[in-house]
Amino acid sequence: QSALTQPASVSGSPGQSITITCTGTSSDVGGYNYVSWYQQHPGKAPKVMIYDVSNRPSGVSNRFSGSKSGNTASLTISGLQAEDEADYYCSSYTSTSTPWVFGGGSKLTVL
Amino acid sequence: QVQLVESGGGLVKPGGSLRLSCAASGFTFTDYYMTWIRQAPGKGLEWVSYISTTANTIYYADSVKGRFTISRDNAKNSLYLQMNSLRAEDTAVYYCARAPVTSVESGPDYWGQGTLVTVSS
Repeated sequence: QSALTQPASVSGSPGQSITITCTGTSSDVGGYNYVSWYQQHPGKAPKVMIYDVSNRPSGVSNRFSGSKSGNTASLTISGLQAEDEADYYCSSYTSTSTPWVFGGGSKLTVL
Repeated sequence: QVQLVESGGGLVKPGGSLRLSCAASGFTFTDYYMTWIRQAPGKGLEWVSYISTTANTIYYADSVKGRFTISRDNAKNSLYLQMNSLRAEDTAVYYCARAPVTSVESGPDYWGQGTLVTVSS
């Protein structure tokens, strides 16, 4: 069982917006502004899309945005495109014995 | 451009050993903590180990503590993972990733393509 809880799957039609949630505790998501979101296409390495809750690395589309409220972080993708279909993982810094914890991943299907 | 290239994966019997390597290029290696993260087939991501820039800080996941050893050679821009007493549950793709020393808490910002380790008799 993963430390952070994500929905197993989400879906949306092209052009729509979707939100993926990531729920943790006060020891990770709720306690620090160090939540990251990774996109992983099949057979590929994860790629960071959002870091520190809401920051986008250079080169990442502004269709991707992040936020946090209490122990739950969210990734929103607007204007869905076919290329957004992938697995998405959240990660947070944690005060426990590991530096980072991951969510179980959410499979995004673009209908 | 940034490159992290893992090697050393393969098929090994339970109880066996394997040494993974990660060759880094395109950035200043000593400006980054380095970490190993694995992904079992069809499963999510699991942090395995990390090492600070001068190797004076090292952490392991409980699942590998006492069996795996992380190390780095800053002169060769390389990261290693010595894996002993391997178990079937260690079967996974192992990713090498970096985390900037100025913001380690933010997590890895670049990952290699991974190397597959299969533990089976």
